[in-house]
Amino acid sequence: GIQVEQSPPDLILQEGANSTLRCNFSDSVNNLQWFHQNPWGQLINLFYIPSGTKQNGRLSATTVATERYSLLYISSSQTTDSGVYFCAVGGYNNNDMRFGAGTRLTVKP
Amino acid sequence: NAGVTQTPKFQVLKTGQSMTLQCAQDMNHEYMSWYRQDPGMGLRLIHYSVGAGITDQGEVPNGYNVSRSTTEDFPLRLLSAAPSQTSVYFCASSPIQFSLNTEAFFGQGTRLTVV
Repeated sequence: GIQVEQSPPDLILQEGANSTLRCNFSDSVNNLQWFHQNPWGQLINLFYIPSGTKQNGRLSATTVATERYSLLYISSSQTTDSGVYFCAVGGYNNNDMRFGAGTRLTVKP
Repeated sequence: NAGVTQTPKFQVLKTGQSMTLQCAQDMNHEYMSWYRQDPGMGLRLIHYSVGAGITDQGEVPNGYNVSRSTTEDFPLRLLSAAPSQTSVYFCASSPIQFSLNTEAFFGQGTRLTVV
């Protein structure tokens, strides 16, 4: 099946800093989604982005499906951005979402 | 519009007990699925359903049963709980299956501990 690798595994930032999270996948995908798991365990939809670029406030994401990666940008980070960020991909021959292991982000005040 | 609702939020079971985790969605989605999340890992698929009356196994199905009698509900049954099933369980739904290019929505999760 498709392998999904996220980097870095852990990231510690000072409030106000910018960051880039990366998601690499091993095969062609038809779908990709970014999630934020907050400290209470909820999975929050960030972006549904099988290709192209999207922006939502301080967050933006870019997926280059032909090169098998996606990037999540967080600008002017806030303590509420802390949590784990997951990317999940859907392959042409899969019935499920394949998740990466996540990037744990800690934003310090 | 509540989205995807899971109950209970927390549960402690003794080894060998059985129980059902409930999942309901009010978005008229055809595709529903169950995932488990273990520490330091992403989510892994247990079972999924592409519509009422149709279910299939995912990556880690052993020890779990599902059924889909209605579009709205997709319960997950633990037949005989084992400590290895201690995990956080998430239910998800989407209009069609994720691989066909659609957005998925998750419930709030059920934290299960088996002692």
